[in-house]
Amino acid sequence: GQQVMQIPQYQHVQEGEDFTTYCNSSTTLSNIQWYKQRPGGHPVFLIQLVKSGEVKKQKRLTFQFGEAKKNSSLHITATQTTDVGTYFCSSSNTGKLIFGQGTTLQVKP
Amino acid sequence: NAGVTQTPKFQVLKTGQSMTLQCAQDMNHEYMSWYRQDPGMGLRLIHYSVGAGITDQGEVPNGYNVSRSTTEDFPLRLLSAAPSQTSVYFCASSGSRGVNTEAFFGQGTRLTVV
Repeated sequence: GQQVMQIPQYQHVQEGEDFTTYCNSSTTLSNIQWYKQRPGGHPVFLIQLVKSGEVKKQKRLTFQFGEAKKNSSLHITATQTTDVGTYFCSSSNTGKLIFGQGTTLQVKP
Repeated sequence: NAGVTQTPKFQVLKTGQSMTLQCAQDMNHEYMSWYRQDPGMGLRLIHYSVGAGITDQGEVPNGYNVSRSTTEDFPLRLLSAAPSQTSVYFCASSGSRGVNTEAFFGQGTRLTVV
């Protein structure tokens, strides 16, 4: 069935370093959504990508959807302590939203 | 709008007890889902619904029942709690049928089964 695999599981960076998390699927995805979950909180929607090769930016965050619509990435430039949390990719299919395992980002000040 | 309201926030159950986790949304969303979150396992889909009267199983449905009698409510029932069901549970709702939109999550229920 529909599955998305996410790597790495954990990432520790020094504040100011860049960070990237990757999401991969063996099947073509209709869309990719990205969520952020702060420690102790609930997932919060960041963005949705639907087009092949799509790139979207939100300040220091850059999201990409692969040409084959089987992979996606989230890149954070110059991390800050406020970026701490777990980042999830997900894909939806008629109301069924499946999540990757998430990447937990720790940022050392 | 309150968004997605999930209750209770914390619960301790004894093995074999039953309980219902409540979830309500006021956004007129067609889609609602229940997830459990365990360390290193991400968010795993338990059950989901694409509209009132329609439910389906997700990745880890065993031990859980759901119903969707109204658009607003989607309760999750544990009929006989087991320690393996200790987890954080999230309810989510999203979009209208045929439209891919963001999912809104409740605050979560931290359940411990002893």
